[in-house]
Amino acid sequence: QKEVEQNSGPLSVPEGAIASLNCTYSDRGSQSFFWYRQYSGKSPELIMSIYSNGDKEDGRFTAQLNKASQYVSLLIRDSQPSDSATYLCAVNPGGSYIPTFGRGTSLIVHP
Amino acid sequence: DTAVSQTPKYLVTQMGNDKSIKCEQNLGHDTMYWYKQDSKKFLKIMFSYNNKELIINETVPNRFSPKSPDKAHLNLHINSLELGDSAVYFCASSQPNPFGYTFGSGTRLTVV
Repeated sequence: QKEVEQNSGPLSVPEGAIASLNCTYSDRGSQSFFWYRQYSGKSPELIMSIYSNGDKEDGRFTAQLNKASQYVSLLIRDSQPSDSATYLCAVNPGGSYIPTFGRGTSLIVHP
Repeated sequence: DTAVSQTPKYLVTQMGNDKSIKCEQNLGHDTMYWYKQDSKKFLKIMFSYNNKELIINETVPNRFSPKSPDKAHLNLHINSLELGDSAVYFCASSQPNPFGYTFGSGTRLTVV
């Protein structure tokens, strides 16, 4: 069973702080990694993808991948109340194009 | 223009009924999917269709059947609905691996 683990939270951070969301996965052969944001009552929205070790930055978001340690993280700089949502980590196990989703981490950014 | 559209948005029905959910994408993607999200927000793959062929079918009861009339449409038909089928069902589409998904807005199914 390929697993993707996330702390369910909630993770509460003050406005303007850095929010750090973490995800670990069990399949060492995994090649593709994604972060989705899901607002309450809405559908998941792809915000970041990362495929190689290291950091990938897009605006206020930075995805970090460490395949040796089997974790992927998402940093949100200058957090805003509008970032309050559930963040889903998704990992494509080796040999599969169907990602396995984690259960998501709830993020609350308070003013 | 909505990229992935699902109808209906809400569906309330009685146990034992048969219902369908429709999905259409205008992104030109090759693959479409159905996901089920339970009350604990866990997203689980149900079906995947690529070029009108079912590629993967997880351990889903055969009361659920996907139907794809063409590459842009993937409908979900559910027979003999049960209380445990209550969930939010998401349609999604993507280009071939390793790109991420575009999700539809979801259908909240409530079986009473």
